[in-house]
Amino acid sequence: QKEVEQNSGPLSVPEGAIASLNCTYSDRGSQSFFWYRQYSGKSPELIMFIYSNGDKEDGRFTAQLNKASQYVSLLIRDSQPSDSATYLCAVRSGGFKTIFGAGTRLFVKA
Amino acid sequence: DTAVSQTPKYLVTQMGNDKSIKCEQNLGHDTMYWYKQDSKKFLKIMFSYNNKELIINETVPNRFSPKSPDKAHLNLHINSLELGDSAVYFCASSQPPHNEQFFGPGTRLTVL
Repeated sequence: QKEVEQNSGPLSVPEGAIASLNCTYSDRGSQSFFWYRQYSGKSPELIMFIYSNGDKEDGRFTAQLNKASQYVSLLIRDSQPSDSATYLCAVRSGGFKTIFGAGTRLFVKA
Repeated sequence: DTAVSQTPKYLVTQMGNDKSIKCEQNLGHDTMYWYKQDSKKFLKIMFSYNNKELIINETVPNRFSPKSPDKAHLNLHINSLELGDSAVYFCASSQPPHNEQFFGPGTRLTVL
């Protein structure tokens, strides 16, 4: 079993819709959870992080964490064509190592 | 104002050569990382340094040698380059308590 799993997609949503990106992880001791966005040919950029169960909102983005189910998700409201990118889920345990998922490609159709 | 910078941005070289990539961060972070992103876009940790000390050393061929002269710099030297080393190499840095990572622009290495 992969340590951090994401559906590779592509996930296609129409402009203005909600995009839902999901991630599961295997290490129950994981403490911090991150979502990064990576445009083609660019470096990953941090969207947000979450470390407590529940929801965390930042603008159009909401991260949701359920440690019991070992599940973290990212919702993008009012999706825009500029949101089209690969979204990387990353999970950090107690040490210094952060494990990245393989990413989900999102396409937002105008 | 660049937070994490890497040089060079592109590196094209022949098999068997030795090359170095340099990374600098001006965020005042204690921890720095090297990642390799292959053609399938999977981002894999290679090394991490915390305050100039090596703390993560993944299963990487010993042709790869990191060096941290101070906590703001982390360089990567690669000996005897092979075709399979072709990838994008990203440097990143982070700081407690949550250690969210900030990435450099990447170095695209092509070995011919």
